Order: sequence, then C-alpha cells, then structure tokens
Amino acid sequence: NAGVTQTPKFQVLKTGQSMTLQCAQDMNHEYMSWYRQDPGMGLRLIHYSVGAGITDQGEVPNGYNVSRSTTEDFPLRLLSAAPSQTSVYFCASSYEVGPGNTIYFGEGSWLTVV
Amino acid sequence: AQSVAQPEDQVNVAEGNPLTVKCTYSVSGNPYLFWYVQYPNRGLQFLLKYITGDNLVKGSYGFEAEFNKSQTSFHLKKPSALVSDSALYFCAVRDADNFNKFYFGSGTKLNVKP
Repeated sequence: NAGVTQTPKFQVLKTGQSMTLQCAQDMNHEYMSWYRQDPGMGLRLIHYSVGAGITDQGEVPNGYNVSRSTTEDFPLRLLSAAPSQTSVYFCASSYEVGPGNTIYFGEGSWLTVV
Repeated sequence: AQSVAQPEDQVNVAEGNPLTVKCTYSVSGNPYLFWYVQYPNRGLQFLLKYITGDNLVKGSYGFEAEFNKSQTSFHLKKPSALVSDSALYFCAVRDADNFNKFYFGSGTKLNVKP
C-alpha cells in the first residue's frame, strides 16, 4: 500500500514558470488537501477536496489552482511561480471528514522559485 | 476562529528524562486536537488525538497528551525520552465549523541528547 504519493520530491523553478505538483493516494480516500510548510509558521491549508469534482479554498489559496477529476489524484498547479511560493508542499488525505478522522500526509515536495 | 500556539521553538531534554512539548488552543466550539511528528525531510506522522472522553490520551511510540479544558492546553508528554524521539512536533486543531480544515502550530523542535 503506497499511501499518499507526491511527485516531484524536489523542483527548482524560475519566476513566472508554471508547474504541477502531483498527489495520488491508493486508499480510496474522499478527502484530499494541500498544505505548505514555511519555517516558523507551521502548515497552512492551500486547497482541499471532499470528492471528485469538488474543491474549495483554504487559508492561502492565491497563486494556486486545483482540480479533482478522480478520487485518487489531486494535483496542485502553480500558474506563474513567484519567489514567495518557495516552500515545502504536503498533500494529505483521509477516508472521510469527521471530527475524529486522522489525515495522512505524503512525504513532501520541496519547491524553490528563483 | 480556531488556532493553536506552541510557545517553545525548541525543547532540549536528556535521554531517559521525561519530556513535555506544550500546546495551547483557542476554539469557538468543541476542541478536536491532534499531535503530529515530522522527521527530517519526511512527511508528518500522526501521533495521537483528542476528540472527547478521557483527558489523558495515549498514542504511538509511548507518547501521551493531557487535555486540560480550563487551561486550554494539550501538552504532549513521554515518561522517558529516547534519542530517536528527536524531531519536529506539531500540534493541530480541527476547525469545529468546517471539519475540512486543520490549523497547525508553528512546531517545536525536540532535541534529546544521549
């Protein structure tokens, strides 16, 4: 069981370039989300999805797009990368949304925008 | 609004000694609290959670946490620290108005010295 898989693990982008961070889970989880981790700030929610075709914004959605065409995949798109988007990105998922449900994280994608 | 605070950036403890990593929370409804651990260059791993019931919650790797409603705290504890416990620890609260959202603290780096 692979769990939550993120690719790429490391990426360097130039300002203005676009890219997609991939996230896939094989646990049939309905809920998927993207967080960014910055030093001293913990993790902040970018976007989330409660099922195929349903997405919504988190705390810091600006500059990012998402879509959920299948249960398994939840890609995060940076349309025009900025240095402020240099961060570590984590995808997370859970079976369903409820107060006690635990979310499970991928290994992270380290993104540097120069 | 929901939030958590981790007042210590770093905690140093000798191997074999008890450890405490502090977390305080602010919620508008029932608190749904979680602890995660992050090892270098890895994703976050779930340790334990408090949803309701006993104030002392036991989790993975010998960790436990004490929920204190009057002090709005959810401190992580372990009776005897191991060098392998050295990692970054995050406290998180689930948004009681929107279960899709988590709010994370800024993290506490635990250093366990031999």
